[in-house]
Amino acid sequence: EAAVTQSPRNKVAVTGGKVTLSCNQTNNHNNMYWYRQDTGHGLRLIHYSYGAGSTEKGDIPDGYKASRPSQENFSLILELATPSQTSVYFCASGQSSGNTLYFGEGSRLIVV
Amino acid sequence: AQSVTQPDARVTVSEGASLQLRCKYSYSATPYLFWYVQYPRQGLQMLLKYYSGDPVVQGVNGFEAEFSKSDSSFHLRKASVHWSDSAVYFCAVSAGNNNRIFFGDGTQLVVKP
Repeated sequence: EAAVTQSPRNKVAVTGGKVTLSCNQTNNHNNMYWYRQDTGHGLRLIHYSYGAGSTEKGDIPDGYKASRPSQENFSLILELATPSQTSVYFCASGQSSGNTLYFGEGSRLIVV
Repeated sequence: AQSVTQPDARVTVSEGASLQLRCKYSYSATPYLFWYVQYPRQGLQMLLKYYSGDPVVQGVNGFEAEFSKSDSSFHLRKASVHWSDSAVYFCAVSAGNNNRIFFGDGTQLVVKP
């Protein structure tokens, strides 16, 4: 079974600080995604990637950067964290748009 | 543009009762359609998916969904719910070559004992 591992699982950051959320997948999927989940908004796509070296903007990319240094790893970077970025972040991987997405267990970020 | 609408934010049913969670999508062609479930403090897991063929697709744990092209819908059903089915259910749609997957806002299912 595909495994997607996120770290850290919980993080408290200060406003203006830098936060990096990491995601690792072991199923050799081409596509990886970062979503945030907030009450009343469901899942919103921040960035995604087709493969190593590629990153694409999703629906709410402002304030976030992404990095895909390898097939297995996809990071979400908040250069200057703000309280509005307090949320639960999910990483997912999938082979293509018609295939199952496999999700990590989420990273809970609180920005104070 | 593709979109997914789940009109019910929360559904409450009694254990043993039947269930239908509604999903409507917007897309010009037939997309890939999915239902995912999220248990508390976990990531999402796929229940079932549809692309073509029999409009009724079976998923895990007794769930099924029916595709309707005329209605642009993909409703999720279960004949008899169990308390352990309490979770948030997401409908999702994907199409085209851009590998984008769009999720609805989710429906919170509460199963009363």
